[in-house]
Amino acid sequence: DSGVTQTPKHLITATGQRVTLRCSPRSGDLSVYWYQQSLDQGLQFLIQYYNGEERAKGNILERFSAQQFPDLHSELNLSSLELGDSALYFCASSVGGRLNTGELFFGEGSRLTVL
Amino acid sequence: GESVGLHLPTLSVQEGDNSIINCAYSNSASDYFIWYKQESGKGPQFIIDIRSNMDKRQGQRVTVLLNKTVKHLSLQIAATQPGDSAVYFCAEIKGGGSEKLVFGKGTKLTVNP
Repeated sequence: DSGVTQTPKHLITATGQRVTLRCSPRSGDLSVYWYQQSLDQGLQFLIQYYNGEERAKGNILERFSAQQFPDLHSELNLSSLELGDSALYFCASSVGGRLNTGELFFGEGSRLTVL
Repeated sequence: GESVGLHLPTLSVQEGDNSIINCAYSNSASDYFIWYKQESGKGPQFIIDIRSNMDKRQGQRVTVLLNKTVKHLSLQIAATQPGDSAVYFCAEIKGGGSEKLVFGKGTKLTVNP
């Protein structure tokens, strides 16, 4: 158990809909990272928040947004969903804002299926 | 596109044999590399890391080798066990403490009893 909690574990929805994925980082971790994992793209970095503020941005679509709340949990909002958005979405957390020690702990992911 | 990739998508070994998983990277500015293990239905889990000022680093049953000349990274697993069956990813962090961790596409290791 990494200590990172993600909900829901599974989510099935229709195209055009909007969903919210939630992540609670490990106790004491200030950074939250979101990754998308699909069969053909591997693990793609989406976005990072550190202590409530956006820290780094990756391949995140404009239809997607995220935020980190004062209690450090984070939400990833996916809107106008398309079939291609079906993937595993992972949240990871780390203590600091910089990944120079490899101490990145992943949750078990939220599997999104768009029908 | 991503600068980290893997030579082989699948690897099958016999229990007790040694496994070698390879990874190529293209960014010579990358100074930190990590291997992750992802078991079915779980998130990636840190295995071992290595900095660019090192050629080799050993952990428990695992060794990572870094060849900066040819931009190649490998993970060696000694006496492979069924519990080692998973997808293994290499990942790199570019210099300067970048927050962006770039993953390769992964190699699926299957250990046959």
